[in-house]
Amino acid sequence: ETGVTQTPRHLVMGMTNKKSLKCEQHLGHNAMYWYKQSAKKPLELMFVYNFKEQTENNSVPSRFSPECPNSSHLFLHLHTLQPEDSALYLCASSQQGGTGANVLTFGAGSRLTVL
Amino acid sequence: GQNIDQPTEMTATEGAIVQINCTYQTSGFNGLFWYQQHAGEAPTFLSYNVLDGLEEKGRFSSFLSRSKGYSYLLLKELQMKDSASYLCAVRDSNYQLIWGAGTKLIIKP
Repeated sequence: ETGVTQTPRHLVMGMTNKKSLKCEQHLGHNAMYWYKQSAKKPLELMFVYNFKEQTENNSVPSRFSPECPNSSHLFLHLHTLQPEDSALYLCASSQQGGTGANVLTFGAGSRLTVL
Repeated sequence: GQNIDQPTEMTATEGAIVQINCTYQTSGFNGLFWYQQHAGEAPTFLSYNVLDGLEEKGRFSSFLSRSKGYSYLLLKELQMKDSASYLCAVRDSNYQLIWGAGTKLIIKP
């Protein structure tokens, strides 16, 4: 496996379900991100982790709960979601610090539909 | 507020040249990025500009004017596989990425 992998690629859930999205990066990066992508809207940053510590939470509702057990894995736990939460959820990683451009490498996303 | 503007959709012909513009108003500037995203796939990095001028990478070039808050992505010798969305993003003074809504590029034979 190379790059950033996300599972599942597609998820349909009811508003009372509990599910989790998984992300794994194989790039040795020190930062991982969750983004929400809705049609015709800019990417919305949800959470940032650097060396497993959460460094950003962009006023995301508590029905989204991130978990970062180590610098290679990132989860997004979902419960009691609303239909407006239906979107593509993108995971990304990067190497923060140093003199580089801190380019994000994205996974292919998990397409979530909330019924 | 901070804002990135880019056209919603553009159409071009195979073999031609197309320019996708991006204008921005942000709190400070620490670089501008272009990403390509094919439908159902991950956004992939295309270019990074932090100084004024043109950066060329094969068929793709990216231009930046910091004084005008303006960038463009130039795609030459268009191929059908270039049909995708192109995302512009600016890193502000707090090193936060501000994203545009993306430009969907449709290539016709």
